[in-house]
Amino acid sequence: DGGITQSPKYLFRKEGQNVTLSCEQNLNHDAMYWYRQDPGQGLRLIYYSQIVNDFQKGDIAEGYSVSREKKESFPLTVTSAQKNPTAFYLCASSIWTTSNQPQHFGDGTRLSIL
Amino acid sequence: DAKTTQPNSMESNEEEPVHLPCNHSTISGTDYIHWYRQLPSQGPEYVIHGLTSNVNNRMASLAIAEDRKSSTLILHRATLRDAAVYYCILNGAVGAQKLVFGQGTRLTINP
Repeated sequence: DGGITQSPKYLFRKEGQNVTLSCEQNLNHDAMYWYRQDPGQGLRLIYYSQIVNDFQKGDIAEGYSVSREKKESFPLTVTSAQKNPTAFYLCASSIWTTSNQPQHFGDGTRLSIL
Repeated sequence: DAKTTQPNSMESNEEEPVHLPCNHSTISGTDYIHWYRQLPSQGPEYVIHGLTSNVNNRMASLAIAEDRKSSTLILHRATLRDAAVYYCILNGAVGAQKLVFGQGTRLTINP
């Protein structure tokens, strides 16, 4: 079955540590996205990528970094500069960045601070 | 970004129809209306989307007002598995598909 795989499901970060969240898709989608969700809130866009080797900042990119070396993969690094990283992180993909294409989401990674 | 307004919560009974409203008075001519739903501890799931005409799929129907300033997601026969947070989102940006999620409507289904 095609879909989006996020790993790990749960992740713990120590103070001053960088952590990387994995996102892989086998849907052959061009565009990929990272969102953050805080308890009781909607999703907020961190970064997105329209094609390989290209990505753009979303609304809350500070303290995060991404790479897009392969079409299938869009890992997110939460750096030590992100002072409030505890959240539910969601990866998504879509066929192309036109307005009438739905996004497909993974099941998320829940990040907590030790 | 154009905003949408949804009730915070709604409640319905199993096997009855559910009508989830969404107001989007500042919608532009190129904005599509998308609906997603999210179950606890899961990623959002696409439900349906439309531009001007009403739309039907296996999950739901989308009724769009003639002036496009409001829309209604219709679940024809609710089941317990339909209990979720439902998000109404306008998606019309050229190039970048930056979905703006509000707080959505929390739908409770009573057995």
